[in-house]
Amino acid sequence: EVQLVESGGGLVQPGRSLRLSCAASGFRFDEYAMHWVRQAPGKGLEWVSGISWDRDNIAYGNSVRGRFTISRDNAKRSLYLQMNSLRAEDTALYYCARDIGDGHPRCNHGVCRHFRALDVWGQGTVVAVSS
Amino acid sequence: QIVLTQPPSVSGAPGQRVTISCTGSSSEIGADPDVHWYQQLPGTAPKLLIYSNTNRPSGVPHRFSGSTSGASASLTITGLQAEDEGDYYCQSYDTFLSTSVFGGGTKLTVL
Repeated sequence: EVQLVESGGGLVQPGRSLRLSCAASGFRFDEYAMHWVRQAPGKGLEWVSGISWDRDNIAYGNSVRGRFTISRDNAKRSLYLQMNSLRAEDTALYYCARDIGDGHPRCNHGVCRHFRALDVWGQGTVVAVSS
Repeated sequence: QIVLTQPPSVSGAPGQRVTISCTGSSSEIGADPDVHWYQQLPGTAPKLLIYSNTNRPSGVPHRFSGSTSGASASLTITGLQAEDEGDYYCQSYDTFLSTSVFGGGTKLTVL
């Protein structure tokens, strides 16, 4: 069974750090790009970060760039999100998700894209930032 | 950054057809659109419904279909069912910033 299981969430004070993990099973982890997506309470989905299968392509959303770092260990079939300088507005349910592609650019009509649709999602881990 | 705009809410009676729009702020959406759609039922993780504008993953009912026109994409649900009630999100890719982006989401109510 294809599965993603997030862990590492919790309650943390503003300014502190937290590291999320995502364990993958049931598929060739090293063939797919991976992402973190978050959802604040009562709000919509927000794309946080994505990483290609070989770590060559990494991108971040505007609100986390410079504070969060995405990484992966293909041997351990795991995805990570290091979150530093946490703020109250980072409070959310954090999902790990698999891309249908490998994260390398696909170009069509002069338009190139690294990331595509997300076809497998975990159940999420909750991060609460509060003093 | 690309902004994807969705209507906050739509509604329909069982058996009816509803359409949810997703309008992009950039001309790149129209040049070569690549829009994906997700369904999020209450208390659950999002589920991929449509990828690359019109493609249904295995297991997604044919009642769900996607289309594009100019700088907009649409998700159409025919034969509306009570279990379709939930939130629907479009997603695309900002080729300038090399980032993915979600629309604000649309809450579907089945009357």
